[in-house]
Amino acid sequence: EAQVTQNPRYLITVTGKKLTVTCSQNMNHEYMSWYRQDPGLGLRQIYYSMNVEVTDKGDVPEGYKVSRKEKRNFPLILESPSPNQTSLYFCASKKVGTEPTGELFFGEGSRLTVL
Amino acid sequence: GQQLNQSPQSMFIQEGEDVSMNCTSSSIFNTWLWYKQDPGEGPVLLIALYKAGELTSNGRLTAQFGITRKDSFLNISASIPSDVGIYFCAGPSMEYGNKLVFGAGTILRVKS
Repeated sequence: EAQVTQNPRYLITVTGKKLTVTCSQNMNHEYMSWYRQDPGLGLRQIYYSMNVEVTDKGDVPEGYKVSRKEKRNFPLILESPSPNQTSLYFCASKKVGTEPTGELFFGEGSRLTVL
Repeated sequence: GQQLNQSPQSMFIQEGEDVSMNCTSSSIFNTWLWYKQDPGEGPVLLIALYKAGELTSNGRLTAQFGITRKDSFLNISASIPSDVGIYFCAGPSMEYGNKLVFGAGTILRVKS
């Protein structure tokens, strides 16, 4: 089954304790992206990657890092989490180079709480 | 940057009613997308619109690409309880074509 898998789905942590949210897709998509969803603000892009070893900042990259060492994986790293990073995070992927904008496939989300 | 404004922010309707929501922007979009997020899930694409004036249906859903290319509408006919969720409009950034800009979403609640 074609899917984007995120882990963990739920996490409560404390300020300053480094954490990684993993994302893996099995559709051989070139493009992967991380979003955060906050009430009233919709989905805001954190980082995206057009292909292996190619990453770029989205609209709200501060406090986050990413890497794209393999095509299927795109982990989101919070080096020193702070309470304002409490949010619902989504990983998404799509194929590049087809119609004007290929369908973006989303994971089920990771709810992160930073105390 | 480009922004998408969705209205209404939320709706609480009776089962069986028709629903209308829209998305506007001060800048032109060449593609309009409508996504639905079920409670506890990630967004899923409902309808994609690629041409100004285009009207596309997907079951009880109908979406239109505004003729000015600055707006889009989504209608749901005869709503049912499983229509509950958040509906997002989205469009590719003119500056960075592979980046999607999302609206803040319309929350739909259905009273049965």
